[in-house]
Order: sequence, then C-alpha cells, then structure tokens
Amino acid sequence: DAKTTQPNSMESNEEEPVHLPCNHSTISGTDYIHWYRQLPSQGPEYVIHGLTSNVNNRMASLAIAEDRKSSTLILHRATLRDAAVYYCILRDGTSYGKLTFGQGTILTVHP
Amino acid sequence: KAGVTQTPRYLIKTRGQQVTLSCSPISGHRSVSWYQQTPGQGLQFLFEYFSETQRNKGNFPGRFSGRQFSNSRSEMNVSTLELGDSALYLCASSLAPGPPKDEQYFGPGTRLTVT
Repeated sequence: DAKTTQPNSMESNEEEPVHLPCNHSTISGTDYIHWYRQLPSQGPEYVIHGLTSNVNNRMASLAIAEDRKSSTLILHRATLRDAAVYYCILRDGTSYGKLTFGQGTILTVHP
Repeated sequence: KAGVTQTPRYLIKTRGQQVTLSCSPISGHRSVSWYQQTPGQGLQFLFEYFSETQRNKGNFPGRFSGRQFSNSRSEMNVSTLELGDSALYLCASSLAPGPPKDEQYFGPGTRLTVT
C-alpha cells in the first residue's frame, strides 16, 4: 500500500475552518484518496473520497493537488463534534476491502 | 436505512476458549470487512468477504477465521483465545470491495476481553 503522511495533531476553534493535510508522494494513478475519522469510543466513520478532482459532500470538502501528491480535507466550520482522529488512506482496485489505517491526525476543537 | 449492527457488544472470555462475533451489513451491501483495534497496534485489517468468498486477508494467525452467508451477514471466529486477543473488533460493510463505490460503513464494534 502506498504511504500517507499526516501531522500527529492539530487544533482549531469552534466555527472556524479546518484544513487537514495529507502527503502521499508515492500515489499511483489508480489510487483513490479516502478520508475517515474516528470519534472517541466509536467506530471509524467515512468522510469523503476522490480520485483527481476536488470533491464536496455534506460533511467536508476534499482538495486534491494537481500532481496528486498531496490532499487536504476541509471542514468548513468546525464543531465540537468534529473532534476526532482523521485518517487519510489510499485505496486501489486490488486492495479488496482493506483499509490501511496509519496514526492519523488528532483534531482538537476548542469552544 | 439501518446501519451496520454487531453482536454481542461486549464479551468476556477465558484464555483457551473460542468466540464467534456476528455482523449484519447495511441492506444491499455485499462486502464485509473485519478489523481489530488495540491501543498498541491501532486499527488492523483482518479479512474481507464478498459474495461469500474471502477476497483478502490480513496478517493474523489461522486462529482468526470468518465466513459470509448468502444474505451477506458475516461472522468471525477466534479459537484458542490468548490474552493479546483482547480488543475492539469492528465490522464494516460497503457496496463493493473496490473503488469507486467502496466507502466503508462501520458498526459500533464488539469489545472482547480475554482473562
């Protein structure tokens, strides 16, 4: 599996935007970029995924660099409920159901 | 639509025993993946089933096994339990095992304690 690099931790204030970076310099052309998050005492939760173009959904936006070597998960207005560990994961067509979780980024949201 | 359900939610077993955990995927989802989460190793992939066939397997000993039924429900079994098997076991379902419709939806997990 191609490797991703994320900061260990980030902090934000409530109602401010949050930009969570992820580096994946060895990404291949067929790798999709997935983001999951895990809130305390819960299972992981799917956030968003994309291949080349920027993506938006009700939870977040995913901005993908033109060379695809990095991406940024954008939470437009952080809430206390967004405090979680965020995982950036690369997926290809051969990984059949396997998500490889790294250490992720611990996001702390201050009131 | 109901989410992924896992039973039981909590389980206490003795070393040497075996255990079976159950997972019911979201309706229409045919791929089921299992993960083990521990404080030391984090989230680790166990195996994945699609259409009753194991398509992928993680680096776990043969004591860990699973199966999937025709209705996509899945079970995992751990035989000869060891203390190190104490963990949160998570099940996730998705429409397909690979992209682009492979986003996974996780259940609440089964907390297994081995004494």
